[in-house]
Amino acid sequence: DVKVTQSSRYLVKRTGEKVFLECVQDMDHENMFWYRQDPGLGLRLIYFSYDVKMKEKGDIPEGYSVSREKKERFSLILESASTNQTSMYLCASSGGQDIRGCYTFGSGTRLTVV
Amino acid sequence: QKEVEQDPGPLSVPEGAIVSLNCTYSNSAFQYFMWYRQYSRKGPELLMYTYSSGNKEDGRFTAQVDKSSKYISLFIRDSQPSDSATYLCAMSPSGANSKLTFGKGITLSVRP
Repeated sequence: DVKVTQSSRYLVKRTGEKVFLECVQDMDHENMFWYRQDPGLGLRLIYFSYDVKMKEKGDIPEGYSVSREKKERFSLILESASTNQTSMYLCASSGGQDIRGCYTFGSGTRLTVV
Repeated sequence: QKEVEQDPGPLSVPEGAIVSLNCTYSNSAFQYFMWYRQYSRKGPELLMYTYSSGNKEDGRFTAQVDKSSKYISLFIRDSQPSDSATYLCAMSPSGANSKLTFGKGITLSVRP
């Protein structure tokens, strides 16, 4: 079973803090993605990576950065957390050409910035 | 016009009903089509995967793709309370593992 593990289920941080969200996958997938999910807005892509040390901006990268030093780990960084970054954050990985390579999501991190 | 449009819902049906969930899209390059199911406070999980046009059946679920109309559907037969979840359509031009474009999702509630 492909597992995508996000380090925290719930997180409360203060405005201005630097926040790290960690994601680890165990399927040797090449691709990893960070989304945020908000009511009425659906899933919005923040950043993605097709290889180690590689990153691409998604649709809403402002206020975020990422790091991929190892194939299995993709970190999302909120440089200075703000209240409008309160959201559900979902990590996904994918790889290969058949159905086994389809996106697998983690369980999500619900971040509240106060 | 957004690339992928999905009925916003929510949708509430009695147990045993046939449910039809739909998405339309504008990008004719989309070739790979997926449906994800997301239970409350969980991440989405892959439910159905189809390539190009046609139907695919898996138990009580049928995915249908009509590329000429740029329209995809998910049918759920004999719906159960355990089907209560948010359903997201997703699609890609270049593979189910590459960057997907998602619909916003529709929340389904099946009443016992």
